[in-house]
Amino acid sequence: GENVEQHPSTLSVQEGDSAVIKCTYSDSASNYFPWYKQELGKRPQLIIDIRSNVGEKKDQRIAVTLNKTAKHFSLHITETQPEDSAVYFCAGGGADGLTFGKGTHLIIQP
Amino acid sequence: DAGVIQSPRHEVTEMGQEVTLRCKPISGHDYLFWYRQTMMRGLELLIYFNNNVPIDDSGMPEDRFSAKMPNASFSTLKIQPSEPRDSAVYFCASSLSGGAKGGELFFGEGSRLTVL
Repeated sequence: GENVEQHPSTLSVQEGDSAVIKCTYSDSASNYFPWYKQELGKRPQLIIDIRSNVGEKKDQRIAVTLNKTAKHFSLHITETQPEDSAVYFCAGGGADGLTFGKGTHLIIQP
Repeated sequence: DAGVIQSPRHEVTEMGQEVTLRCKPISGHDYLFWYRQTMMRGLELLIYFNNNVPIDDSGMPEDRFSAKMPNASFSTLKIQPSEPRDSAVYFCASSLSGGAKGGELFFGEGSRLTVL
């Protein structure tokens, strides 16, 4: 089955700086890679996703890049704000069930 | 739609007791997923259903865990007997087209289980 590794487990950045979270996956058949954000005590919610036929996708301050050859994808958040503080999960899958990374706790320092 | 509805939100029980978690997916969604979240292991897929049929239960930890989906609007996850290591937040999620096929997973609020 799919195995998704995510780094770092904790990331602390100054407000206004950029944050980058990286994930690798093992199954070359995986073709869909979403990112979910989970605020403290809340449910995970989709923030952006990318398919394997696309190398990069952007939505305002958030972007995701995908390198299928190297089997890795990354989340980039620019101009970080306090409301970006949360746990971020990457995920991958080619069949029905998504496999999630273990999450990155993003801390925005004032 | 009210979203995915899970109950109970919190459950505290003693080791050896039976636990039943319930989920009502979003109407019209064909896929239903059960995930378990812990600090150590993150979000683990336990089992998922397509059109009420269990498709992959390879994530179910052991025989103490079972899940059913008797109809399109209801699913249960049962643990019998429960053990302290089962303590976690259990999420139910539903999707139109299967999570890995590009369908957004809509999660419920989760059921926080504590087994003493």
